[in-house]
Amino acid sequence: GAVVSQHPSRVICKSGTSVKIECRSLDFQATTMFWYRQFPKKSLMLMATSNEGSKATYEQGVEKDKFLINHASLTLSTLTVTSAHPEDSSFYICSASHQRDLEQYFGPGTRLTVT
Amino acid sequence: GQNIDQPTEMTATEGAIVQINCTYQTSGFNGLFWYQQHAGEAPTFLSYNVLDGLEEKGRFSSFLSRSKGYSYLLLKELQMKDSASYLCAASGNTPLVFGKGTRLSVIA
Repeated sequence: GAVVSQHPSRVICKSGTSVKIECRSLDFQATTMFWYRQFPKKSLMLMATSNEGSKATYEQGVEKDKFLINHASLTLSTLTVTSAHPEDSSFYICSASHQRDLEQYFGPGTRLTVT
Repeated sequence: GQNIDQPTEMTATEGAIVQINCTYQTSGFNGLFWYQQHAGEAPTFLSYNVLDGLEEKGRFSSFLSRSKGYSYLLLKELQMKDSASYLCAASGNTPLVFGKGTRLSVIA
């Protein structure tokens, strides 16, 4: 099956710094990548949808200037959390699909802790 | 609007059968996904139903009724490792809409 990797798996950073999370599709070309965040015992919350070569579409309530998404190629999307705050501590998961409405293959997730 | 509804928690006994229900309302509908998520891990794909009916895959089966906006995931011969959250997600005119997940606890 399709494999999606995320890096790093865990990161601890200080308030005010920026953190970049990478999402890669290893064995297929992902026309669409999705970024989710998940708080403990809560469901996945879609943050944004990104298509290769175009601007990401952010969900309501997600600050696009704080969560910068770049989908530079068909195998790589990055999420940068800028000016991180303790409230940004969460589990961030990316997923990738060949087409927007088909199966999404999830990365293993990145646990971000902001101190 | 869009809404996915599934029970929050369920408990079942090892070796038994459990059915996790999901009702959905979405703008446009293509199909219904079920994912399994263990604590602290990303979701993993279980099934995808497009047509009405039951699809069986080993111990897991998934059912869809498009006219009723209803699906269920059936787990047979439960094992302790099946303790996890089960997410149903509907595919339509927007990216996948996930339910809040059903936390299944399998007890001895």
